[in-house]
Order: sequence, then structure tokens, then C-alpha cells
Amino acid sequence: QLHLHESGPGLVKPSETLSLICTVSGDSFSSNTYYWGWIRQPPGKGLEWIGSIFYSGGTDYNPSLTTRVTISVDTSKNQFSLKLTSVTAADTAMYYCARQACSGGTCYYFYWGQGTLVTVSS
Amino acid sequence: SYVLTQPPSVSVAPGKTATITCGGNNIESKSVHWYQQKPGQAPVLVIYYDSDRPSGIPERFSGSNSGNTATLTISRVDAGDEAAYYCQVWESTSDHREVVFGGGTKLTVL
Repeated sequence: QLHLHESGPGLVKPSETLSLICTVSGDSFSSNTYYWGWIRQPPGKGLEWIGSIFYSGGTDYNPSLTTRVTISVDTSKNQFSLKLTSVTAADTAMYYCARQACSGGTCYYFYWGQGTLVTVSS
Repeated sequence: SYVLTQPPSVSVAPGKTATITCGGNNIESKSVHWYQQKPGQAPVLVIYYDSDRPSGIPERFSGSNSGNTATLTISRVDAGDEAAYYCQVWESTSDHREVVFGGGTKLTVL
């Protein structure tokens, strides 16, 4: 059974950088079948895709966040990470990591972490 | 970017059928996936590839996709189905690729 776990600071100051790590266990992290993604959800609002990464390092980002987002991978630790720069209160959200399965010209998320709440406040 | 439009809310009486729509330009050309999210929990995939159900999802959940509208149908609704539902597609063009979510529909069981 695949397990994903998000970790990182729950409070970030405005204008600083949000950094989160997702640790994957229970299956091969370096499979060439899956990508690894970050999704966020502001309180009381809907899901917003942030971006995803292949185990070899190829990335896709939400066009609205691409100037501030970096997703990287550390296959030796079965981890991938999210960095979001110049944060504001609008970046306050529950942040989820998930495994992105892609086949037949589409992608979807079957396995999700439980999420971690990040608040941007001074 | 591709836009998916969902009604903010749908209400249904117990035992009846709930229909949640997801609108998008020529959405029938894409595979649509649906997630259920209960308060305080991570989303759960309930339908993928328009109409397939992952293992463990009741047969009461079904999906379809035609023209500009994809539909999630929940038959014999019970209180446990009360949740937010999100549709999702994969958008791939010559210059970018992205996951797109609909705005979500809150299903209320009366």
C-alpha cells in the first residue's frame, strides 16, 4: 500500500519561501509509470493543482504559479519537495502531495497524502 | 488554460439520484476523473476515465461524458455521500501540460 506524507513548517511569513517535503513509502518511487504532484486547497475553497515531477526530474507547473514554484525530487530518499517563493496570505492552504498516474493521454490521482496546513502570516 | 465549470451545490433526498455536471469545451475529447472529498479528509478518486470505478467504489457511482458536459451520477444517495465532488482533466498542448480541476460541487443530502 502506497503511503505519502507531507512535512514542513505550518507557519510562513509573508514574502518568504514555503518549503514542503513529501515522503513516499510502500512502493517504488522511481517507477517510469508515475509522476508526483502537489495540489493545494485554500480554506473553504476548491482544489488547485500546483505542479508535478517525474522521477528523472521533468516538471510541469500551473501557469499561474510557474514564476514562483519549484518542484524537485530526491530519489535516494524517496522524497519530492515543493518550494513556493514570495508567499502572501493567498497562499494559505492545505497542501497535498499525491501520485499522478498517466496513461492513455490523461493523468489522475489515486493516492494522496493526508495534507498539511500552511498558514502565511506575520 | 482549459476551464471546467461545476454547479456550486446540488441537493438530493435520500434514496434518490444525484447528478453533478462538469462543463468544458468539447470535454468529450478528454478523459474526466471525479473525486469525492469529505470535510477534513483528502480527496478520494471515485470515477476515472469518464466512467470506470476504482476498486472499492460502490456501483451506485457512475460517470458519462458527451459533448461539452461530463456527468457524475450517484444513485440511491445516502447521508454518507454528502461531500464535495470535483471533476478533473489533463490538458496537454504543444507548449504546456497541466492538471485542471473544476471548482467543485457540494452535495447536500436533505
